[in-house]
Amino acid sequence: KNQVEQSPQSLIILEGKNCTLQCNYTVSPFSNLRWYKQDTGRGPVSLTIMTFSENTKSNGRYTATLDADTKQSSLHITASQLSDSASYICVVSVTGFQKLVFGTGTRLLVSP
Amino acid sequence: DGGITQSPKYLFRKEGQNVTLSCEQNLNHDAMYWYRQDPGQGLRLIYYSQIVNDFQKGDIAEGYSVSREKKESFPLTVTSAQKNPTAFYLCASKAFFGQGTRLTVV
Repeated sequence: KNQVEQSPQSLIILEGKNCTLQCNYTVSPFSNLRWYKQDTGRGPVSLTIMTFSENTKSNGRYTATLDADTKQSSLHITASQLSDSASYICVVSVTGFQKLVFGTGTRLLVSP
Repeated sequence: DGGITQSPKYLFRKEGQNVTLSCEQNLNHDAMYWYRQDPGQGLRLIYYSQIVNDFQKGDIAEGYSVSREKKESFPLTVTSAQKNPTAFYLCASKAFFGQGTRLTVV
């Protein structure tokens, strides 16, 4: 069964600190993996996308990594800001079906 | 301004009533999707359309209906057969999402 699991479920960090969110997947055949940021009551916004051959992708203070062998990805946030408070969703795309498998998200709260 | 526009942002439905959620895109994408988001759960696929005049059921299609008469538009109707419609509904084309419609049963 295609599944995406994220950890932790929620996280509180102090402003300015770094944090890392985890994503494990059992999706096959794999096409790509995206990390989304979703503010409360808003639609998800794509942060990064990685294909099978990519190990890392950065977008400002966000850096995603992908290990296709272990089927794990991480999203590292550097020097967190209050505006980083949101849910972060890992999404894996299944090859050939344009079907997306969603994780349940990590809810991040950045505290002043 | 390119993107996906959902309306309304908030919608209230009475018991036994059908309601329609609007989704419009100007990205010239063929594929469009409707998802439902509930607290503590990942997004679940309701319906998707890969081309005009064609659409397919997703994982939780019961109680919902869609149409795809134009490439730009993919409206979702929540029928009275959907027993638990209170949720946040998201429309997407490819990997781009609209801002969502929050539907509440009153």
